[in-house]
Amino acid sequence: NAGVTQTPKFQVLKTGQSMTLQCAQDMNHNSMYWYRQDPGMGLRLIYYSASEGTTDKGEVPNGYNVSRLNKREFSLRLESAAPSQTSVYFCASSDRGQGAGGYTFGSGTRLTVV
Amino acid sequence: TQLLEQSPQFLSIQEGENLTVYCNSSSVFSSLQWYRQEPGEGPVLLVTVVTGGEVKKLKRLTFQFGDARKDSSLHITAAQPGDTGLYLCAGARGSNYKLTFGKGTLLTVNP
Repeated sequence: NAGVTQTPKFQVLKTGQSMTLQCAQDMNHNSMYWYRQDPGMGLRLIYYSASEGTTDKGEVPNGYNVSRLNKREFSLRLESAAPSQTSVYFCASSDRGQGAGGYTFGSGTRLTVV
Repeated sequence: TQLLEQSPQFLSIQEGENLTVYCNSSSVFSSLQWYRQEPGEGPVLLVTVVTGGEVKKLKRLTFQFGDARKDSSLHITAAQPGDTGLYLCAGARGSNYKLTFGKGTLLTVNP
């Protein structure tokens, strides 16, 4: 099925460990996004890529890095995980600027940092 | 500062009841979207409204965009247990590629 695929679905890290969250879309969308969702905080934008070859910071970029590997793939890296990064992470893609065509979300990665 | 305020935060109703949830802002948006998120899944787009005063209907769901494009509402008629979920509104501003999300309304429809 066409859509956004995120891996892994679940992950437990120890404080200080690093990991990369993978995201791939097969809809030929130009723009891709990484959000985190926390209780009472809603969805907060970490980084986004308006088009292949560009990345920009969102609302909460500290502690994260991203790579737009190609048009399909957009990865999120935690270099030194902290308990405050325990969250559910969502990748999304959209066809046009302003998300005018709507975002397609992946099913999320549930990350726990202990 | 939360650009999009959603209310109520929680809503628990019985099957068959009607309900309205709201999405308000002091900012003008070029378009506004509504998403529904079920437990363990990502949000799924329900509708996009782009014109002030626009009304869109999706079966039992009616979406309205305020005349000034600062607010929106979602009305559900004869709610069903399958409507249970987190309803999120999200706004786009100008040429910005980023959507701003509200914190959501968690709806529970009891059989």
